[in-house]
Amino acid sequence: QSALTQPPSASGSPGQSVTISCTGTSSDVGGYNYVSWYQQHPGKAPKLMIYEVSKRPSGVPDRFSGSKSGNTASLTVSGLQAEDEADYYCSSYAGSNNNYVFGTGTKVTVL
Amino acid sequence: QLQLQESGPGLVKPSETLSLTCTVSGGSISSSSYYWGWIRQPPGKGLEWIGGIYYSGSTYYNPSLKSRVTISVDTSKNQFSLKLSSVTAADTAVYFCARHAVAGTRWFDPWGQGTLVTVSS
Repeated sequence: QSALTQPPSASGSPGQSVTISCTGTSSDVGGYNYVSWYQQHPGKAPKLMIYEVSKRPSGVPDRFSGSKSGNTASLTVSGLQAEDEADYYCSSYAGSNNNYVFGTGTKVTVL
Repeated sequence: QLQLQESGPGLVKPSETLSLTCTVSGGSISSSSYYWGWIRQPPGKGLEWIGGIYYSGSTYYNPSLKSRVTISVDTSKNQFSLKLSSVTAADTAVYFCARHAVAGTRWFDPWGQGTLVTVSS
């Protein structure tokens, strides 16, 4: 199984929005509504931000939202804040024997 | 509050076996709704799912690593462990353990802080 494809970088000014794409195949992203997104600050563990494509865990600001169309999922961060500067990874269930795949990661910079 | 903590040697020689343990606190590893997983991240690179285990001992592995990976669980100690055999420099990474939800949903949360394992002679 191949890693899901994400753009290496994305950026925006404070208050603006940034959208990150996550492209897979019909065997993973397109086949299941089990896409999740993780935020990782340097030297820290990843933190769950979105699960099941668009659901937010308790405590995650509603500035973070997720969606999916076909084989591509997206994470949008609205009203960018300095603390949103981090690496973001998508992940998808890939079926057959409980397989999972992560994205290549996107570094979000707040200008 | 559930917490996970990885432990084990930070340096492993090539061709040897990497062994790590994840200790779960603030909750029971025997919860029926969760698996317990391992994920790794080579320095400066992305995340790679390794595999996971249910408290009953049922396991699942990344097909690309399956021949070298063994994950086990010790419910009496609230721990689960990872063994990766025949390691090479390509296995140098930060290894994370995480709770893995599988009952009608799929996500990893929370994660341990991670432990760096370097493969070098």
